[in-house]
Amino acid sequence: ILNVEQSPQSLHVQEGDSTNFTCSFPSSNFYALHWYRWETAKSPEALFVMTLNGDEKKKGRISATLNTKEGYSYLYIKGSQPEDSATYLCAFGGSQGNLIFGKGTKLSVKP
Amino acid sequence: DAGVIQSPRHEVTEMGQEVTLRCKPISGHDYLFWYRQTMMRGLELLIYFNNNVPIDDSGMPEDRFSAKMPNASFSTLKIQPSEPRDSAVYFCASSLVVSGPSPEQYFGPGTRLTVT
Repeated sequence: ILNVEQSPQSLHVQEGDSTNFTCSFPSSNFYALHWYRWETAKSPEALFVMTLNGDEKKKGRISATLNTKEGYSYLYIKGSQPEDSATYLCAFGGSQGNLIFGKGTKLSVKP
Repeated sequence: DAGVIQSPRHEVTEMGQEVTLRCKPISGHDYLFWYRQTMMRGLELLIYFNNNVPIDDSGMPEDRFSAKMPNASFSTLKIQPSEPRDSAVYFCASSLVVSGPSPEQYFGPGTRLTVT
């Protein structure tokens, strides 16, 4: 059974703080690692899809790195803003197009 | 495109009743996924289709759950009979088929199901 672990479960930071969280996944049979952002009362939206070891992706103040050999990915948010408050999900992409999601890291940014 | 469309957005029903959730994927997308979101288990994959054919239904909890995709633009998830423990948010998602790594998925707004 594939297991995708995310830590921490929740995080409370002040506006302006930089933060990061971790996703751990099986290092064998790797196809892709996805990051999704999920705001309360909305649907998950894709942030990044990463496929190659050493991949780094960036979108504004948010960036992600990937280490497929050791099975982890980091998501970084620089200078957190209240609008960054959301649950951040990572998902391990299977060979058949399916995704296995972690339980997410819930980020709260206080003004 | 309007994105993935799900209906109803909210459903309240009594235990034992049949519930049907509906999904219209993004036009041209080849994959369709049904997920269930609960506090305890997070986002669980129930079943997914490729070109209207069910690929993996191992996540379907039990025989009370069934899903169909009669054509490329419509899918249903049915629960019969429903039980209080089925209360959750059910998401539908779709994606484009690719020959390489897994494509990003586009999620619908979800259906919040409450079984009393």
